[in-house]
Amino acid sequence: EPEVTQTPSHQVTQMGQEVILRCVPISNHLYFYWYRQILGQKVEFLVSFYNNEISEKSEIFDDQFSVERPDGSNFTLKIRSTKLEDSAMYFCASSEDTGRPPGAFFGQGTRLTVV
Amino acid sequence: GENVEQHPSTLSVQEGDSAVIKCTYSDSASNYFPWYKQELGKRPQLIIDIRSNVGEKKDQRIAVTLNKTAKHFSLHITETQPEDSAVYFCAAPSGGYQKVTFGTGTKLQVIP
Repeated sequence: EPEVTQTPSHQVTQMGQEVILRCVPISNHLYFYWYRQILGQKVEFLVSFYNNEISEKSEIFDDQFSVERPDGSNFTLKIRSTKLEDSAMYFCASSEDTGRPPGAFFGQGTRLTVV
Repeated sequence: GENVEQHPSTLSVQEGDSAVIKCTYSDSASNYFPWYKQELGKRPQLIIDIRSNVGEKKDQRIAVTLNKTAKHFSLHITETQPEDSAVYFCAAPSGGYQKVTFGTGTKLQVIP
């Protein structure tokens, strides 16, 4: 069964450093998402991406965050200057179209630890 | 924006009993409602969803009901088993349905 894959599985970074989280969505999917989940809390929407542009973003997704689809397969989330409160699990997800629930297919996540 | 409330936050049931988790939402334009199961340290997994043109949907031991007038929907798990133990999240989309707001989660414990 096709899967969304994310790398790395765990990233430790120093406060103020830039990090890039990588995702390979399912190949025929058109909609891509990033979510985050602080330990023990709910899943929070960050951003959705369609047709090479952001379609929606949350208030969490400020100027420190950016997303990119640099080629036909990868989808990345960049945090420019990490803060301690950015420590969380980051999930990438993809969907075929809006007929399916957005983010029906989640990757296994990247655990980001900012020290 | 969408506001999703979920109750209870924790739920313990004996194996074989039923479990019910309830959610309310605020955006009357929302028209489908997914439920996710998240085991410890794992990704959320979509287990069932319902669209606003139906009031109930069932898939084996799992069912979801929707009351659009009251803006609430519920997850029902019958004949619970220990492997049902997990955190369950409801969710509702808003805007152009690209943004999904999750509930705060219900930690279900099924006691053997």
